[in-house]
Amino acid sequence: NAGVTQTPKFQVLKTGQSMTLQCAQDMNHNSMYWYRQDPGMGLRLIYYSASEGTTDKGEVPNGYNVSRLNKREFSLRLESAAPSQTSVYFCASNAGGGYTFGSGTRLTVV
Amino acid sequence: ELKVEQNPLFLSMQEGKNYTIYCNYSTTSDRLYWYRQDPGKSLESLFVLLSNGAVKQEGRLMASLDTKARLSTLHITAAVHDLSATYFCAVGGGGGADGLTFGKGTHLIIQP
Repeated sequence: NAGVTQTPKFQVLKTGQSMTLQCAQDMNHNSMYWYRQDPGMGLRLIYYSASEGTTDKGEVPNGYNVSRLNKREFSLRLESAAPSQTSVYFCASNAGGGYTFGSGTRLTVV
Repeated sequence: ELKVEQNPLFLSMQEGKNYTIYCNYSTTSDRLYWYRQDPGKSLESLFVLLSNGAVKQEGRLMASLDTKARLSTLHITAAVHDLSATYFCAVGGGGGADGLTFGKGTHLIIQP
């Protein structure tokens, strides 16, 4: 029972490069989320998807795009990475009760 | 806009002592979550509180919820070193489809 799987676990990008963070869940949850965690800031919601085919902006969506590819997968794309996007990114899923978080992706933009 | 405030943000305490972490939130919500995070790790769910007056306990940790005061507390009894971690409260509503709003976290250090 894998839960929520995120790839990659670590990534270093140069300013201006693009990349996609992958997230997949095997719990048949409808809702999926992307958060970023910065020191002293808690977790902040970037985007969420309440169901397959829908996505909505969270608190800090600028500089990101998302795709809900199917019920299992929810990806986060950085089109032109900036140093301000250096952070730890967590994917989560929820089925109306508790949330399950992935192990995180530590991204550094230099 | 929902705001969640935790205090204290940093706490250093000795083993065997009791202490309480406070979580205030700004608007009505139907559920309150507590998480634990160890350095470099993901979030571990501790408690989900669903109604006014709810109290849950697990080992040396006890969480409560007062929806009228918009306040939740996480009480630590007779602290031990293994409870050293960062603790987050988070607030969500309506089945949670629109995600959680987190406090900034309480970094707890328990010294032998």
